[in-house]
Amino acid sequence: DAGVIQSPRHEVTEMGQEVTLRCKPISGHDYLFWYRQTMMRGLELLIYFNNNVPIDDSGMPEDRFSAKMPNASFSTLKIQPSEPRDSAVYFCASRLDRGRSNEQFFGPGTRLTVL
Amino acid sequence: AQSVTQLGSHVSVSEGALVLLRCNYSSSVPPYLFWYVQYPNQGLQLLLKYTSAATLVKGINGFEAEFKKSETSFHLTKPSAHMSDAAEYFCAVSGSSGNTPLVFGKGTRLSVIA
Repeated sequence: DAGVIQSPRHEVTEMGQEVTLRCKPISGHDYLFWYRQTMMRGLELLIYFNNNVPIDDSGMPEDRFSAKMPNASFSTLKIQPSEPRDSAVYFCASRLDRGRSNEQFFGPGTRLTVL
Repeated sequence: AQSVTQLGSHVSVSEGALVLLRCNYSSSVPPYLFWYVQYPNQGLQLLLKYTSAATLVKGINGFEAEFKKSETSFHLTKPSAHMSDAAEYFCAVSGSSGNTPLVFGKGTRLSVIA
């Protein structure tokens, strides 16, 4: 299995631009999670989906952030407009609903720099 | 609700010495507990997990952790540190109901000195 795939791996953009981060979960996984990692706040859960439906988006910092999961094999996290404080590493993770171990599998992350 | 406290944001040990990374959790339901490792510029990788079976859990790379309900702890240990163990380690908790996301601690950076 290829694991969780994220693209791009690195993104450098200017303040005010729209940024779209992409994630392909492991095939067959029912849950998808978006996290943000910064030195100040550590690893924060932004939003998660179950069977393509958003379950909890209380971690999304502002209306500038939005996430979609149009099908079981693809999700996007969009920031519009981007700001320098959005600079962070964004991780996507997925897991199975069956098995009940709650183990999450992480992608390699997207390092976002907003100038 | 669940939460995790990792004591010590940075731990430094000599090569060959015991590694002990501390994790205390809070959970209103029987927990599942996890340790993840993050090497530089990489994603998080599962080291080991506790899911209500044996309280002493063995993971990859010689690490193990013991679930102690009375102490609400899940400390990570390795008898002999190796240079390749230098990384960030995260403890995480979730409820055992099967539909809750992991709640992560703030992480502990492990340095190994030659």
